[in-house]
Amino acid sequence: GAGVSQSPSNKVTEKGKDVELRCDPISGHTALYWYRQSLGQGLEFLIYFQGNSAPDKSGLPSDRFSAERTGGSVSTLTIQRTQQEDSAVYLCASSGGPSNEQFFGPGTRLTVL
Amino acid sequence: GQNIDQPTEMTATEGAIVQINCTYQTSGFNGLFWYQQHAGEAPTFLSYNVLDGLEEKGRFSSFLSRSKGYSYLLLKELQMKDSASYLCAPLGTDKLIFGTGTRLQVFP
Repeated sequence: GAGVSQSPSNKVTEKGKDVELRCDPISGHTALYWYRQSLGQGLEFLIYFQGNSAPDKSGLPSDRFSAERTGGSVSTLTIQRTQQEDSAVYLCASSGGPSNEQFFGPGTRLTVL
Repeated sequence: GQNIDQPTEMTATEGAIVQINCTYQTSGFNGLFWYQQHAGEAPTFLSYNVLDGLEEKGRFSSFLSRSKGYSYLLLKELQMKDSASYLCAPLGTDKLIFGTGTRLQVFP
């Protein structure tokens, strides 16, 4: 596709359930980033992939959060045993490299009831 | 530590000029990005400065002083559609560090 895509666009789940968020980066982009943005707040860095490896996982809030990237392309962010404080917009971005412009996807709005 | 400081909110009038300042402290520095984010939308790239000085791109210009840990975004001939949040994001060793952004409201 022409841009970064994310699915689902919206997800409502019950507290305690697991959710999986998907990101399809721009073809050929080696770097992929996950961010979280709560209402009215800035972007919180979660994790960064270079190819399939994640050199920086420092932003993951807890061990309930994990992410993987396969084939140097699609990435999934998994949140286990969701909590209400996990409610936010989860944004994915990709770039040709760390010093290149990041292109953001439309985000997944997660609501945990 | 890592810290980005920019004003939370600014207001301006259509046709005016506004300057959004940003000071930063990061572990490693490989340039600074500015992004624009309209409410409910994803951020979009505005500018990237890696060397000191002013980069001009149409109505928008961005300035960087590495020694002072300072950047600003200058918006000229403001239009209503410029109402958005502007995010200052220095590039650390391998990732962008985003500030909370400056919400700019442009009034007629």
